[in-house]
Amino acid sequence: DQQVKQNSPSLSVQEGRISILNCDYTNSMFDYFLWYKKYPAEGPTFLISISSIKDKNEDGRFTVFLNKSAKHLSLHIVPSQPGDSAVYFCAASAPRGAQKLVFGQGTRLTINP
Amino acid sequence: DGGITQSPKYLFRKEGQNVTLSCEQNLNHDAMYWYRQDPGQGLRLIYYSQIVNDFQKGDIAEGYSVSREKKESFPLTVTSAQKNPTAFYLCASSISGHSYNEQFFGPGTRLTVL
Repeated sequence: DQQVKQNSPSLSVQEGRISILNCDYTNSMFDYFLWYKKYPAEGPTFLISISSIKDKNEDGRFTVFLNKSAKHLSLHIVPSQPGDSAVYFCAASAPRGAQKLVFGQGTRLTINP
Repeated sequence: DGGITQSPKYLFRKEGQNVTLSCEQNLNHDAMYWYRQDPGQGLRLIYYSQIVNDFQKGDIAEGYSVSREKKESFPLTVTSAQKNPTAFYLCASSISGHSYNEQFFGPGTRLTVL
């Protein structure tokens, strides 16, 4: 049972435009959400997070939006840059399993010059 | 520099052999984790440890074993009982006891069974 889903395996965006990556979850107990970026043959690096008490968190070019009623979150990158080309994972955790993250399948983002 | 190291980067194993993957952190984190990544899939939790001398099974613990004798180290043994061990293995750590949990990852070990 996939509790965190990223339904788009890949996304292609032109440099300078906005990239929007989506993530859906099914477990209503999740209260903290994170986005990680991963290059091939490397470990993921943390990008941005949001707790369920907020609906938006911004850090430079990266903004995460959370819609709790729809159980949906999205990551916006604007403007997109070639270095943003990577696989992006969303992850979620619940209070009782505070030390456990559940990851989505990932979305491969390609930024075209 | 603080961080997480995993060794080796690439590892080859013959069928039927056990192999141990190393993970060391100098971030003074209490919690450590092992994940497995397969092509086209997300990270799946194998084992995690919140404190020294204590660990719990994750979602796919069968065929794996761990130990946590030191705060800095969390080695993973892939045993011959693991049916499909070829994968990319990632170790992570986080500050334990904090409900908002950012995990820091090592560079990973790619295991190939010949």
